[in-house]
Amino acid sequence: KAGVTQTPRYLIKTRGQQVTLSCSPISGHRSVSWYQQTPGQGLQFLFEYFSETQRNKGNFPGRFSGRQFSNSRSEMNVSTLELGDSALYLCASSLEPGQGAGELFFGEGSRLTVL
Amino acid sequence: EDKVVQSPLSLVVHEGDTVTLNCSYEVTNFRSLLWYKQEKKAPTFLFMLTSSGIEKKSGRLSSILDKKELFSILNITATQTGDSAVYLCAVEFRTDSWGKLQFGAGTQVVVTP
Repeated sequence: KAGVTQTPRYLIKTRGQQVTLSCSPISGHRSVSWYQQTPGQGLQFLFEYFSETQRNKGNFPGRFSGRQFSNSRSEMNVSTLELGDSALYLCASSLEPGQGAGELFFGEGSRLTVL
Repeated sequence: EDKVVQSPLSLVVHEGDTVTLNCSYEVTNFRSLLWYKQEKKAPTFLFMLTSSGIEKKSGRLSSILDKKELFSILNITATQTGDSAVYLCAVEFRTDSWGKLQFGAGTQVVVTP
């Protein structure tokens, strides 16, 4: 069974640009969550999608957005990039359809560098 | 404010040693505590703990939760170089928790030959 797949794995952008990251969950998983990981803040929750609906959102500015498609694939977008957005962006999928995060299966992440 | 605090932040041990990692938490609406291992990129799931005092084991790894004192420990016995990784503790909430885990900063474990 294929794991969580994230693309691209690495990317470099400049301040002010925007970026779109993609995540394909494990087959059969309908919940997709996104996390930002930085050395200073650790892993922080961005948002979660289930059945194309955002059910939960972390404390990030509106420049961070996401969506989920009918096949459960998800994308996140960051607009007007800032230097502080440089991070590893991790996607996780879950079998748990109801309340709670449960066990999350993480992808290898997309490493974003903002210059 | 909800907090998840791990200690130590890092440690170096020799192969064969036993390691004990700590995770304390102060959160409202606690549901469960999870441990993950992060070697290079993707954190991989180790344990989920929901009940106090019940030890979970997987090979040389074991973990236990104390809901009265609000902490968990992760033990690794007979360490091997392959155990070198960052170990992350995370808390799941009872409400508003879809997809959301609050992570600690992690403990970097280095096992030397």
